[in-house]
Amino acid sequence: QKEVEQDPGPLSVPEGAIVSLNCTYSNSAFQYFMWYRQYSRKGPELLMYTYSSGNKEDGRFTAQVDKSSKYISLFIRDSQPSDSATYLCALSSGGSYIPTFGRGTSLIVHP
Amino acid sequence: DTGVSQDPRHKITKRGQNVTFRCDPISEHNRLYWYRQTLGQGPEFLTYFQNEAQLEKSRLLSDRFSAERPKGSFSTLEIQRTEQGDSAMYLCASSPSADTQYFGPGTRLTVL
Repeated sequence: QKEVEQDPGPLSVPEGAIVSLNCTYSNSAFQYFMWYRQYSRKGPELLMYTYSSGNKEDGRFTAQVDKSSKYISLFIRDSQPSDSATYLCALSSGGSYIPTFGRGTSLIVHP
Repeated sequence: DTGVSQDPRHKITKRGQNVTFRCDPISEHNRLYWYRQTLGQGPEFLTYFQNEAQLEKSRLLSDRFSAERPKGSFSTLEIQRTEQGDSAMYLCASSPSADTQYFGPGTRLTVL
């Protein structure tokens, strides 16, 4: 079992939909939770990070962490075609803060 | 542009050749990371520097791979005797703190 599991998709939604992207993890030592967006053939771009259970909101994006279930989510409201990308979750346990990445979920938002 | 930069962006080489990649981090960031990413996978950690000290290396980093950060600023990653399995995107990231990393655009390596 991988430390971080993420469904690769693709997830295809119509423009304006609410998108839910998820990761599960097995290592209870993970304390820092990050979401990255990666466009094709580009480097990952940090979207959000959090280190506590609960919700964190930034514009159309909401990150949710449930440490008891070892489950994290990223919600995108009013999705746009420009949101079409691969979304990577990344988790780290402190110390050297070397994150373990999920394999990414490919999101396609069609007009 | 004050982001992380990497050079070259693309490299095509023949099996057995040596290649070197460069990463220039965001200037005030003391942490620098190298990752490798293959198609359909997330980035895999290779090595990590804090200032000029290489603090951690992954088991993925065979003895053909070496990385340096001589003055705590830019870093180089060298692959000796390249193999076809080395074909991947090599990503550099820098960080000012524990919880955030900022990635460069990556160097795409193709080994023929």
